[in-house]
Amino acid sequence: SQTIHQWPATLVQPVGSPLSLECTVEGTSNPNLYWYRQAAGRGLQLLFYSVGIGQISSEVPQNLSASRPQDRQFILSSKKLLLSDSGFYLCAWSPGEYEQYFGPGTRLTVT
Amino acid sequence: GIQVEQSPPDLILQEGANSTLRCNFSDSVNNLQWFHQNPWGQLINLFYIPSGTKQNGRLSATTVATERYSLLYISSSQTTDSGVYFCAVELGRGSTLGRLYFGRGTQLTVWP
Repeated sequence: SQTIHQWPATLVQPVGSPLSLECTVEGTSNPNLYWYRQAAGRGLQLLFYSVGIGQISSEVPQNLSASRPQDRQFILSSKKLLLSDSGFYLCAWSPGEYEQYFGPGTRLTVT
Repeated sequence: GIQVEQSPPDLILQEGANSTLRCNFSDSVNNLQWFHQNPWGQLINLFYIPSGTKQNGRLSATTVATERYSLLYISSSQTTDSGVYFCAVELGRGSTLGRLYFGRGTQLTVWP
């Protein structure tokens, strides 16, 4: 069966510091991968998606970037965090044009 | 972009009551999913239901794609049903690569 991992689970970082969040998927190959952010309140916003190694598309211009160095690894990064980057970051995968499955999330607080 | 509207935004129930959550969307969709976000933030897949009706225990869902809405029914609610329920859709045209657009959710609170 497929599983999706995210780490760290929680993170507190000062403004201006770098960021690296990691997501890995097990039990499948060539998945579509997604990064979402859930800010205070309830809405989820798609940040990045990837259909293959090195293929990244951005939905919203921002202070963040994403990379996919391996088939089942997706990384979310920032060179300098802003206060507005605080939120709950969720990684998801799908086998293609079907349902998406979400990881446990990383709660980021920028101070 | 596509608009996804969920109602009601908040719902408070006594344990054992039934409820109906609604999701309206503004464009043709390929896929529609219902999720439950638990208190720890995990999004739990409830239904993948681009059309038709499905049931899973006390939960069932119906999507009428031609009329652009979906309903989630919760019967005999339990305190463990508390949390936020999300509807998410994928556009029905072009190469959307599975991008999901989420509604703002319904916050359900079930009291014992």
